Amino acid sequence: AQSVAQPEDQVNVAEGNPLTVKCTYSVSGNPYLFWYVQYPNRGLQFLLKYITGDNLVKGSYGFEAEFNKSQTSFHLKKPSALVSDSALYFCAVRSAGNMLTFGGGTRLMVKP
Amino acid sequence: ETGVTQSPTHLIKTRGQQVTLRCSSQSGHNTVSWYQQALGQGPQFIFQYYREEENGRGNFPPRFSGLQFPNYSSELNVNALELDDSALYLCASSSEGARNTEAFFGQGTRLTVV
Repeated sequence: AQSVAQPEDQVNVAEGNPLTVKCTYSVSGNPYLFWYVQYPNRGLQFLLKYITGDNLVKGSYGFEAEFNKSQTSFHLKKPSALVSDSALYFCAVRSAGNMLTFGGGTRLMVKP
Repeated sequence: ETGVTQSPTHLIKTRGQQVTLRCSSQSGHNTVSWYQQALGQGPQFIFQYYREEENGRGNFPPRFSGLQFPNYSSELNVNALELDDSALYLCASSSEGARNTEAFFGQGTRLTVV
C-alpha cells in the first residue's frame, strides 16, 4: 500500500525568507508525486508534479519541489515566502488506478 | 479556478437521512473521483468513476455510492448518514490513462450531519 507522510503540522516562516514543507512517500514502482494547496473554505489547487526527468520541478506561484529517490522525499520549496502563501499544503502520490493518496497536510504560516 | 463545479456548497442533514452531492467535470476529462476530507485531515479517496462505472474504491462502506452520467458528470450518494460523515466532500476530474496529468478539484461541498 502506498502512503505519504508530512511530518510537520505547521511551518512558520518570516516573509521574504525561504520556506520548505517536507514530504516523504512510500510506493511500489515509480512514484507520481503532486503538491496541492488549499485556502480556507476552498478546494485543492494544483501546484506542481513530478512524473519523470529532472529532480527539481518548478510549479505555480514560484514554488518548486525536489524529488529525492534515495530518501523517498518530495519537499516543497520557495526561495522567498509571501504572506499570501499562508495556506494548507498537501503532498500526494498517485497509484496505478489514478487514485491519489494524500498526506495529512502542513499549515504554512508566513508572518510579515 | 478549475472547470470542476460542485453543488451544493453547504448542506446540513440529520443523522439517518440520505444525501446526494453533484459534480460537473472539467471539459475534456472523462474520469471523476470523490474524496472525503474530515476536519484537520488530508482527503481520503472514496471512489472513482470512468465510463459510467466504478473504477476503484477506497475504504468506505457500501452506503457510499455513486453514479457517472454520459456527459461525465457525477453524483455521490450517502445513505443512513452518521455524525462522522460530516466533512468536506471533494470531486476531482482527470483523464483516464493519462497518469502524468494532474487532477483538478472542485471547491467542495461542506456536509454537516446533526
